[in-house]
Amino acid sequence: EDQVTQSPEALRLQEGESSSLNCSYTVSGLRGLFWYRQDPGKGPEFLFTLYSAGEEKEKERLKATLTKKESFLHITAPKPEDSATYLCAVQARNSGGSNYKLTFGKGTLLTVNP
Amino acid sequence: GAVVSQHPSWVICKSGTSVKIECRSLDFQATTMFWYRQFPKQSLMLMATSNEGSKATYEQGVEKDKFLINHASLTLSTLTVTSAHPEDSSFYICSASRAGGPGGTDTQYFGPGTRLTVL
Repeated sequence: EDQVTQSPEALRLQEGESSSLNCSYTVSGLRGLFWYRQDPGKGPEFLFTLYSAGEEKEKERLKATLTKKESFLHITAPKPEDSATYLCAVQARNSGGSNYKLTFGKGTLLTVNP
Repeated sequence: GAVVSQHPSWVICKSGTSVKIECRSLDFQATTMFWYRQFPKQSLMLMATSNEGSKATYEQGVEKDKFLINHASLTLSTLTVTSAHPEDSSFYICSASRAGGPGGTDTQYFGPGTRLTVL
């Protein structure tokens, strides 16, 4: 069974204080690892897809990296508007029969104080 | 782009009534659509997967006769909660899977969600 564990559950940062969120996963053949941002009362917003170990992607203050066992979402000099829940999800190679469904972690609630 | 809409954004109904939620992909054709439920401070739980013109595939523990899914076209899927009860109150979110989009193959793009409250 595919599993995704995110840590920490909650993280408070001061504006400008860089940090990283962790996503550890076990999957029977990784097809893709996805990062989403979710604001309260909204649907998840797509951030990144990572496919293989060593891959990195960046978007503004966010950078996602991937190893064979985990992914990190690095946040550089965060601003209050970066406050949200960040969700990690994996897609398994052998889940094609179920249309490549996603298995989500519980998320990390990030709060950035001004 | 990859925009997904849901309607309504919120709905309040009486116990025993049925509620229909629409999910549309606005600027792409979705090969597959997914329906999720999210309880407060919890992550998304997949309810079912649907392909256009086919019967939906439900996750274990999800009652298919209670949560009716119709996927009439490549841009529209509907979820009907039949005979709703207070325990069905939740945040329902759909997603649409797009091949070859900016996120890569089979990336799911999510709608804004529908808040259902059953009195």
